[in-house]
Amino acid sequence: AQSVAQPEDQVIVAEGNPLTVKCTYSVSGNPYLFWYVQYPNRGLQFLLKYITGDNLVKGSYGFEAEFNKSQTSFHLKKPSALVSDSALYFCAVRDIRAAGNKLTFGGGTRVLVKP
Amino acid sequence: NAGVTQTPKFRVLKTGQSMTLLCAQDMNHEYMYWYRQDPGMGLRLIHYSVGEGTTAKGEVPDGYNVSRLKKQNFLLGLESAAPSQTSVYFCASSPGTGVYEQYFGPGTRLTVT
Repeated sequence: AQSVAQPEDQVIVAEGNPLTVKCTYSVSGNPYLFWYVQYPNRGLQFLLKYITGDNLVKGSYGFEAEFNKSQTSFHLKKPSALVSDSALYFCAVRDIRAAGNKLTFGGGTRVLVKP
Repeated sequence: NAGVTQTPKFRVLKTGQSMTLLCAQDMNHEYMYWYRQDPGMGLRLIHYSVGEGTTAKGEVPDGYNVSRLKKQNFLLGLESAAPSQTSVYFCASSPGTGVYEQYFGPGTRLTVT
């Protein structure tokens, strides 16, 4: 079984400050990890993914994420947050052996960037 | 290239009524998925399909049925709607085997009274 935890329901940061959204995962094998963003009344948009290789993954809109196997974490980061980054963020995991490329999503973290 | 589209965008049903949600994708993707999104619970997989004519159960399949008669379409049916099925429903698609992200539609907001 695979699972994802996003321990923070909400993160509030000031514009220009660093942004971190936390994610931990559990899979029986090696993981594939994803981050998605959801703006109000929209579907999810893909930000980045980790497959293998470098632990630091760069994605869209200046976001990056760091894979830490020992801590089973995949935290999303942005060095300087923008007001337009305010949205709902989802972490997702896929066990490499999962049929149908099925993803398991975390509960989501709402990010509010204050001007 | 419209990507993934969903019909309708909003719907209100009474308990016991039935309806079908339509998902269409124009990216020639093999895999398609139906999720429901509820506050604090993220997205939960209802059913999925790995190709035309195939379907499989996800995490929360009870009360729903699906069909994939054409590669580009994936239908989600509610035979007898219940208030517990009030949710936002998302369809997604992805290419076949490999580590691909899923592409999501805009969602259908369903309220069952």
